[in-house]
Amino acid sequence: EAGVTQSPTHLIKTRGQQATLRCSPISGHTSVYWYQQALGLGLQFLLWYDEGEERNRGNFPPRFSGRQFPNYSSELNVNALELEDSALYLCASSVRTGDNTIYFGEGSWLTVV
Amino acid sequence: GDSVTQMEGPVTLSEEAFLTINCTYTATGYPSLFWYVQYPGEGLQLLLKATKADDKGSNKGFEATYRKETTSFHLEKGSVQVSDSAVYFCALNSSPSGSRLTFGEGTQLTVNP
Repeated sequence: EAGVTQSPTHLIKTRGQQATLRCSPISGHTSVYWYQQALGLGLQFLLWYDEGEERNRGNFPPRFSGRQFPNYSSELNVNALELEDSALYLCASSVRTGDNTIYFGEGSWLTVV
Repeated sequence: GDSVTQMEGPVTLSEEAFLTINCTYTATGYPSLFWYVQYPGEGLQLLLKATKADDKGSNKGFEATYRKETTSFHLEKGSVQVSDSAVYFCALNSSPSGSRLTFGEGTQLTVNP
């Protein structure tokens, strides 16, 4: 069974541009989470989507946004990129009820120059 | 709110040494507890989990026991290998469904031959 898949693996953008990261959850999982792991800052919760709705949001500015599609895949958009947005962006998924284990993908490395 | 405190790193051991990484938590209710591992340049992998008091999670020679009386979930391995070199994250989820994880800061482990 396929795990959480993310694309692209690496992305280089210029300051001020927009970045779009994509995620496909494990089959049968309806919840998708996004985390940011910047160098030396640990794992910061960004967003949680379930059944197409945003359920929770971390302490990030509005230029971080996303959505979840009917097939439960998800997109993370980062507008007006800043140098400090350079990080590993991790997507994760889980089922809606019955098991609160969250499984992570390999991540997308975003570099802003 | 929920919080996780991990033993500060980095930890450096020789091959075949005994490993303990301490983890304590504060949470409402009865959380599920997790250890995740992040190998260099990769995403997070679920290492083991425990969902109720006195449960022992185990995988790849690693073990951790859910101790409610001491609110701890220490990670142990009897004989570490060079390939165990990674960052280890303790985490909890106090929601019965997916929701979001609360992570510790991570502990960098280096095993020398």
